[in-house]
Amino acid sequence: NAGVTQTPKFRILKIGQSMTLQCTQDMNHNYMYWYRQDPGMGLKLIYYSVGAGITDKGEVPNGYNVSRSTTEDFPLRLELAAPSQTSVYFCASSYYHGGEQYFGPGTRLTVT
Amino acid sequence: QQQVKQSPQSLIVQKGGISIINCAYENTAFDYFPWYQQFPGKGPALLIAIRPDVSEKKEGRFTISFNKSAKQFSLHIMDSQPGDSATYFCAPTSTQTSGSRLTFGEGTQLTVNP
Repeated sequence: NAGVTQTPKFRILKIGQSMTLQCTQDMNHNYMYWYRQDPGMGLKLIYYSVGAGITDKGEVPNGYNVSRSTTEDFPLRLELAAPSQTSVYFCASSYYHGGEQYFGPGTRLTVT
Repeated sequence: QQQVKQSPQSLIVQKGGISIINCAYENTAFDYFPWYQQFPGKGPALLIAIRPDVSEKKEGRFTISFNKSAKQFSLHIMDSQPGDSATYFCAPTSTQTSGSRLTFGEGTQLTVNP
């Protein structure tokens, strides 16, 4: 099993550009999450999903959108990138809500 | 309202020493108390977790102590090794409420000197 995979690993965006961060898991987990981690800080929940077709906002959803059309995939969309979105983004999945979370390797995003 | 407070922010320990990291929480509905370990450039990974029906859990050199009345739990690393140098996060959660927010502590950067 590959676990949780994320692409790309690194990306530089210009202000106002858009992009999609990809996340795929092969563990058949219903629950999936997107976090951002700023330098020296903890993880902040952006969005989460409890199953295909069901998503909900986390602590810091502004400027982001998500979709969940399949159990495996949970892409994160950034519209109109801003410097405040410079961060490392982690995708995670779990078998049940709040249970052990399996994290991907992260995407380091810089907006200039 | 800060639901999870982790301390210390950073910790330097000599090889062979004991590292202790604390996590205080406010939500009495939390029923799962994990510690995650994160190495530089990697995603966090579960290190050890405890349920509220026990006061202590030990896995090798790592022990969780849980104090329900004080609403806090701690991670003890015995015989600390340089390879333990990482950032540690607590993430207490309610597994019974699907809409509840998942909150990580701010993290503790542990450095174990050889």
